[in-house]
Amino acid sequence: EAQVTQNPRYLITVTGKKLTVTCSQNMNHEYMSWYRQDPGLGLRQIYYSMNVEVTDKGDVPEGYKVSRKEKRNFPLILESPSPNQTSLYFCASSLSMGVHYGYTFGSGTRLTVV
Amino acid sequence: AQTVTQSQPEMSVQEAETVTLSCTYDTSESDYYLFWYKQPPSRQMILVIRQEAYKQQNATENRFSVNFQKAAKSFSLKISDSQLGDAAMYFCAPFSNAGNMLTFGGGTRLMVKP
Repeated sequence: EAQVTQNPRYLITVTGKKLTVTCSQNMNHEYMSWYRQDPGLGLRQIYYSMNVEVTDKGDVPEGYKVSRKEKRNFPLILESPSPNQTSLYFCASSLSMGVHYGYTFGSGTRLTVV
Repeated sequence: AQTVTQSQPEMSVQEAETVTLSCTYDTSESDYYLFWYKQPPSRQMILVIRQEAYKQQNATENRFSVNFQKAAKSFSLKISDSQLGDAAMYFCAPFSNAGNMLTFGGGTRLMVKP
């Protein structure tokens, strides 16, 4: 089944403790992206990657890191999480730029930083 | 950067009736794509419908259709014969070729009354 897989689905952590949210897609998509969802703000892009070893900042990149060493994986790293990073996170992928058919989203990671 | 406004935070509709969700956006691009996504309580992001800005014909997918007014930068979603399963958050999302990203509105929560 074609899908984007995120793990974990839920995560509670303490301020300052490094964490990684994993994202993997099995559709051979070039484009991958991370979003965070907050009430009333919709989804905002954190980082995106157009292909292996190519990443760029979205609208809200502060406090986050990403890497794209393999085409299928795009982990999101919080080096020192803070309570304002409590949010619902989505990974998404797409076949390519240009003729755009929308993203395929993972099922989300609910992160709570205390 | 694009901005997206969904002016109706919440709406309700009677089962089997028709409802229209509004969306306006701001963009300087002439060629782009527009999407509506549905997010049910499971929080999965589901693509509902897609519109190419260079096409004047409004997109239709079964009970879902759009009213795309390019000059007015308006992209409303009409749901006909509403069903209980249509209850969800709905997000309007233009795609920017220049910015390589989907920009989401704040969402409209649709409730369907039996």
